[in-house]
Amino acid sequence: DVKVTQSSRYLVKRTGEKVFLECVQDMDHENMFWYRQDPGLGLRLIYFSYDVKMKEKGDIPEGYSVSREKKERFSLILESASTNQTSMYLCASSQQGAGGYTFGSGTRLTVV
Amino acid sequence: AQSVSQHNHHVILSEAASLELGCNYSYGGTVNLFWYVQYPGQHLQLLLKYFSGDPLVKGIKGFEAEFIKSKFSFNLRKPSVQWSDTAEYFCAVNAGSGGGADGLTFGKGTHLIIQP
Repeated sequence: DVKVTQSSRYLVKRTGEKVFLECVQDMDHENMFWYRQDPGLGLRLIYFSYDVKMKEKGDIPEGYSVSREKKERFSLILESASTNQTSMYLCASSQQGAGGYTFGSGTRLTVV
Repeated sequence: AQSVSQHNHHVILSEAASLELGCNYSYGGTVNLFWYVQYPGQHLQLLLKYFSGDPLVKGIKGFEAEFIKSKFSFNLRKPSVQWSDTAEYFCAVNAGSGGGADGLTFGKGTHLIIQP
């Protein structure tokens, strides 16, 4: 079964900490995405990548950065975590041209 | 840029009732359209998608959606809902020319509760 795996299901971090959220896909997909999901706001795109070492800003990139050193891995980095970054973070991947997306189970991050 | 509007944030139905969830999008070009479902505590799953061709799309679990280009709509329907359909439903769109590389734009979601 094809998968998008997010390394942590729950995380609690302190304000100001640097936070890494990891995502790995085993489908050899070119495209990978990071979303955050908040009640009443749906899913909002933070960053995406269409190739190794390539990255593009989504709708809400402020306070985040990403890294894609290998095709299968896409990391989301919170340089200095803040309480307004408490959220559910979802990783997704898709194959170029296919248009279908596979989502991970999510990481619920709480910043205290 | 695209945007997606889901008209109902909360819907409560009884079992066996018919369901229609509204979705409208704004984008001037060719689009791909999706409905995703998120059951409590689970990850997002694709219900159905439209890329081209027959505007009436059938998905999993008895769901279907109709793309009406003139109305910029992609409403989700099910003739008879079950208690197990209780979930959050998201409509999403991306540009048809993007090849899937540019991510999905989601609506804010509709929380559907089915009462036994």
